[in-house]
Amino acid sequence: KQEVTQIPAALSVPEGENLVLNCSFTDSAIYNLQWFRQDPGKGLTSLLLIQSSQREQTSGRLNASLDKSSGRSTLYIAASQPGDSATYLCAVRGYSSASKIIFGSGTRLSIRP
Amino acid sequence: ETGVTQTPRHLVMGMTNKKSLKCEQHLGHNAMYWYKQSAKKPLELMFVYSLEERVENNSVPSRFSPECPNSSHLFLHLHTLQPEDSALYLCASSQDLLRTGTNTGELFFGEGSRLTVL
Repeated sequence: KQEVTQIPAALSVPEGENLVLNCSFTDSAIYNLQWFRQDPGKGLTSLLLIQSSQREQTSGRLNASLDKSSGRSTLYIAASQPGDSATYLCAVRGYSSASKIIFGSGTRLSIRP
Repeated sequence: ETGVTQTPRHLVMGMTNKKSLKCEQHLGHNAMYWYKQSAKKPLELMFVYSLEERVENNSVPSRFSPECPNSSHLFLHLHTLQPEDSALYLCASSQDLLRTGTNTGELFFGEGSRLTVL
């Protein structure tokens, strides 16, 4: 059974710092891994999607990496800004039909001005 | 309209009421999902529909009843709910992997419907 863990549950850093969010999963037989951002009371916004054959994806100040053999993914945020404050979730999709998408509990990020 | 749209955004209902949540996707996807998000809990998958057939139901109480009339619309019918059912209900869509071959399987979410049961 796939389990997805995100540590830490909360993180607070000063503005301008580079930071890394972690996501680990127990079953390496994944189809893809997706990172999301969620603002309070809102839906999830897709940030980056990494297919199982890929090592990393980049979008602006965000870079996500995937290491299937170790069951880990990281989301790197460069030059953090107060607007980056949100909860970040990772989700892993297994090799099956539409349904096997397992979410982590998320990391609540706060960027201090 | 683009993406995934959910209505209503906020709903307050008594335990004896009957209401429905609606989701519509404009992405041409063939799979739609209902998730429940409660405070301090991971997202819980409630229902999945792929090509309008229910493919997974994670033992959700019968007071929640899904309906998927076509690949673009998904409903969640609510009746005789309990206060612990108060949560953010999120709809999502994607392209079903096994049925369509190559695709990214990327998941897209709506803004959610905040439900409060009194």
